[in-house]
This record gives sequence, C-alpha cells and structure tokens, in this order.
Amino acid sequence: QSVLTQPPSASGTPGQRVIISCSGSSSNIGSNPVSWYQQLPGTAPKLLIYRDDLRPSGVPDRFSGSRSGTSASLAISGLQSEDEADYFCATWDDSLNGLFGGGTKLTVL
Amino acid sequence: QITLRESGPTLVKPTQNVTLTCTFSGFSLITSGVAVGWIRQPPGKALEWLALIYWDGEKRYSPSLKSRVTVTRGNSKHQVVLTMTNVKPVDTATYYCAYRHFGEFDFWGQGILVTVSS
Repeated sequence: QSVLTQPPSASGTPGQRVIISCSGSSSNIGSNPVSWYQQLPGTAPKLLIYRDDLRPSGVPDRFSGSRSGTSASLAISGLQSEDEADYFCATWDDSLNGLFGGGTKLTVL
Repeated sequence: QITLRESGPTLVKPTQNVTLTCTFSGFSLITSGVAVGWIRQPPGKALEWLALIYWDGEKRYSPSLKSRVTVTRGNSKHQVVLTMTNVKPVDTATYYCAYRHFGEFDFWGQGILVTVSS
C-alpha cells in the first residue's frame, strides 16, 4: 500500500484532457515538491515533471503538473495514443525517504 | 550524456544475499548535490524506493528494508553497489538505479529483473 494515493486507472479519447491525481499528507506532498514519471510498456520510468510543474527538455507542453496542499496533479491535454502508459507521482517525506505513488494506468480509447 | 546500467544475478535462491552493481557514466558521484538511488518494481506493481547514496557519502534507506539493504560506492568511481540480504520470493522485482541531482530521478538505468526462487 503506497503512502501516495493515485487512481489505479484513467482513460480518455484522443484529443481529450486527462487529469491524474496524487494524494499525500502534510509530511510528504504538503512540504516537498512532487515529480511525475511516465513508464511506457516494458521500459524504465522517464522523468516527466519535476519540482511540481517543470518539464525536462524534450517533454511536450501537453504535460503539466501542479501541487496544492497535500495533493498534486498531472494534466495531459491533447491526448495521443502514445501517451498510453503508467504514470507515477513521487516525492520525499520529512525524513528524506523517497516515496512513490501506486501508479495510474492511462488508456487511450 | 548520462547513462546508468544495472548488473548482477538474475536468479537467486531464498535466504541468499544478492549484490547488484550500477555502472554509470556522464557524471561524478563526488559532484556536490549528486546522488544515486535504487528503486525496484515487482512485476505489474508500483515503484518502491530502496536507498540513496549522496556525493558526500551520506546514505538513506527505506525504513521497511533498512535492516536488509546496504548501498556503497563500488570499486570503480563510476559504480554504486546495492546489497540485499536474506532475500525472499517477494523481493522478485526489476531493480533500477537512477541519477538524482536535486529532488527527482532525472535518468534511469534499463533495470535488471531479479527472480527469487528455489
């Protein structure tokens, strides 16, 4: 059972906007920045969003992140078939231990 | 260009110890702020953070695995080693090492699937 709670699944049709949530507590998301990782089938995770809302070079601006209180969100606009993947949120707790969410499987219908 | 690659045994018997090596290039583990982390993922399940070693030698461990996991610098200055003792079938997972400079894991290795079975 992950300390960070994500919905196990999400779905949308091409072109739609999808939002994936990540819920934590005051000792993790409430006081530390959140990052998001995309894991395509059979591959290693890839950094998608860091420090709540920043995108690494090469990540399309269709992907955006936000954090408020003890929750964070990943939004994907203009959904494309290649966005079908697992998405994980991550942060640190106040003891500097790493935490990952349970993951959300995104299906593009 | 930063790359990381995990190596080690892919089949281990229960109660044995397993040692995994992360060989990296494109950065130095003595650069201020840099760290290398270990993360694992059981088949079909979520990511789990295991350990982190910082540029200054400080180490952090998952509280749930702290008694069985050790992370050290390798013999080469471009290696980090993870040792897990007394492995069990539930430790079957893909083990990743990853580069961290600030709060996030910017680059990941391809992972190594370690199966614990008699």
